[in-house]
Amino acid sequence: QKEVEQDPGPLSVPEGAIVSLNCTYSNSAFQYFMWYRQYSRKGPELLMYTYSSGNKEDGRFTAQVDKSSKYISLFIRDSQPSDSATYLCATLEETSGSRLTFGEGTQLTVNP
Amino acid sequence: NAGVTQTPKFQVLKTGQSMTLQCAQDMNHNSMYWYRQDPGMGLRLIYYSASEGTTDKGEVPNGYNVSRLNKREFSLRLESAAPSQTSVYFCASTVSGRAGTQYFGPGTRLLVL
Repeated sequence: QKEVEQDPGPLSVPEGAIVSLNCTYSNSAFQYFMWYRQYSRKGPELLMYTYSSGNKEDGRFTAQVDKSSKYISLFIRDSQPSDSATYLCATLEETSGSRLTFGEGTQLTVNP
Repeated sequence: NAGVTQTPKFQVLKTGQSMTLQCAQDMNHNSMYWYRQDPGMGLRLIYYSASEGTTDKGEVPNGYNVSRLNKREFSLRLESAAPSQTSVYFCASTVSGRAGTQYFGPGTRLLVL
């Protein structure tokens, strides 16, 4: 069983839709949670970074962590064609040193 | 400020050949990483270097070696390439203690025949 599970999609939505992307994790020691965005044939880039449970908002993006159910979510409001990318969730255990654990990534297409 | 650069962008190897993937960063970061990305498997850590002079194995180190040449450069070597090493390889770097905030290079696409 993978430590971080993510539905690979693909997910296709119309422009303006609210998008919900989700991950589950199994290791309760994970304390930090990230979302990376990866455009086609590019390297991933950090989108959101959260610590512990709760919500964090940045413009049209909201990251949500529920540690009790080991569930990570990313919501995109008013989705745009430029949001079309693969979204990877990632977790970090403080005692692991420098090792991120990534989900498989969800491929999102926003249609104009 | 180029960020993280990787060379080559694309490479085709025959089984048994060797090659070195190069990575350099100009952000004065202490920590550097090598990942491979495969369909259905996501990003998996091969090796990392928490600081100049140190290297540690990640999740999938077999078949690879690394060298932290200096603070800027971190190379990945395949001594005897196998078809199972066909993948996209990414280098990343970050400031010490900020492992969640990694900056990635554009990747090297490797095909082993």
